[in-house]
Amino acid sequence: EDQVTQSPEALRLQEGESSSLNCSYTVSGLRGLFWYRQDPGKGPEFLFTLYSAGEEKEKERLKATLTKKESFLHITAPKPEDSATYLCAVHTGRRALTFGSGTRLQVQP
Amino acid sequence: DGGITQSPKYLFRKEGQNVTLSCEQNLNHDAMYWYRQDPGQGLRLIYYSQIVNDFQKGDIAEGYSVSREKKESFPLTVTSAQKNPTAFYLCASSTRQGGETQYFGPGTRLLVL
Repeated sequence: EDQVTQSPEALRLQEGESSSLNCSYTVSGLRGLFWYRQDPGKGPEFLFTLYSAGEEKEKERLKATLTKKESFLHITAPKPEDSATYLCAVHTGRRALTFGSGTRLQVQP
Repeated sequence: DGGITQSPKYLFRKEGQNVTLSCEQNLNHDAMYWYRQDPGQGLRLIYYSQIVNDFQKGDIAEGYSVSREKKESFPLTVTSAQKNPTAFYLCASSTRQGGETQYFGPGTRLLVL
């Protein structure tokens, strides 16, 4: 059974304080790892897709990396508007995505 | 603008009542999905459809039903058999079933009176 574990569950940062969110996975045959951002009461917003170990993608203050066992979402010099829940999901070609429970990020000014 | 719409934003269900959540997409996507999200938990798959007139059960299909009569539409019915329906329901679509990116609608929050 595919499993996705995100840590920490919650993270509070000061504005400008860089950090990383972790997504570890146990799957057979990873075909894609996805990162989404979700604001309270809204649907998830797509951020990145990573397909193979060693791949990296960047968007503004966010950078996603992938190894054979985990993915990191690095947040550089975060701003209050980066506060949200960040969801990680994996696809193994069997059905739909398997999601982790998310990391709630709060960035204080 | 292309996208996914869900309605209503809030829905109230009375005991023993069936309710239907709407999901429409104009992205020309073949695959559509329904997820349920409970506080502090990840998204759990209810049903998915890869093509018109075909759909498969996900992990928590009991108490739910779907139809896929049109490519653009994938309504979800929460039946009276679903004893704990209070949750945030999310519809998504992708170009096809597989490792393709899924795009989500704004969600419907279902509450029980």
